[in-house]
Amino acid sequence: DIQMTQSPSTLSAFVGDRVTIACRATQSISTWLAWYQQKPGKAPKLLIYRASSLESGVPSTFSGSGSGTDFTLTISSLQPDDFATYFCQQYSSYPWTFGQGTKVEIK
Amino acid sequence: QVQLQESGPGLVEPSGTLSLTCAVSGGSISNGNWWAWVRLPPGKGLEWIGEIFHSGGTKYNPSLNRVTISVDKSNNQFSLNLHSVTAADTAVYYCARGCSGGHCYFDSWGQGTLVTVSS
Repeated sequence: DIQMTQSPSTLSAFVGDRVTIACRATQSISTWLAWYQQKPGKAPKLLIYRASSLESGVPSTFSGSGSGTDFTLTISSLQPDDFATYFCQQYSSYPWTFGQGTKVEIK
Repeated sequence: QVQLQESGPGLVEPSGTLSLTCAVSGGSISNGNWWAWVRLPPGKGLEWIGEIFHSGGTKYNPSLNRVTISVDKSNNQFSLNLHSVTAADTAVYYCARGCSGGHCYFDSWGQGTLVTVSS
């Protein structure tokens, strides 16, 4: 199985900050990577697919980059609605696997 | 816009079978997507359980060799059975729309249902 490791596990930031979350795969997954946002008690929401493609309706403050084994999710200006947990997911090979999550908290 | 809704018991006894159904509305389950189950155990990350195509083809997570997923095209729904459950299977279970054309991310999700394994 391909293991996905996110860092940091928790991140504290102010509204307006630029935030970067890293995701690393144990083997190359090309750009077969998605990012999700999840708030407590809610379903995950797709933000980014194919490593850098923005899902329809997602604010342009979100962006994704990377290929191979190293990827990043960037929020260019953190908004109050962005405080949540973020997961990466590889879909290069079965079984699909997720990172353990990064919780973005208010500083 | 496709919508998914999970249903089933919120409490299952140890060694029993966890059974959930996902009703799909706003689109046909036979439209070319795979349909998946994902779970979120308390304090842990998301785990893909498995998925099914409308033809009945399935893919399962090898770490969960107690799973059966089935599809009911006439009622536009699919189901999950997880056998011989233990407390470690306590989680929020989500159904989701998965693979289409080789792109296997999940773009629509149900709200999730908490299943607790306890006597």
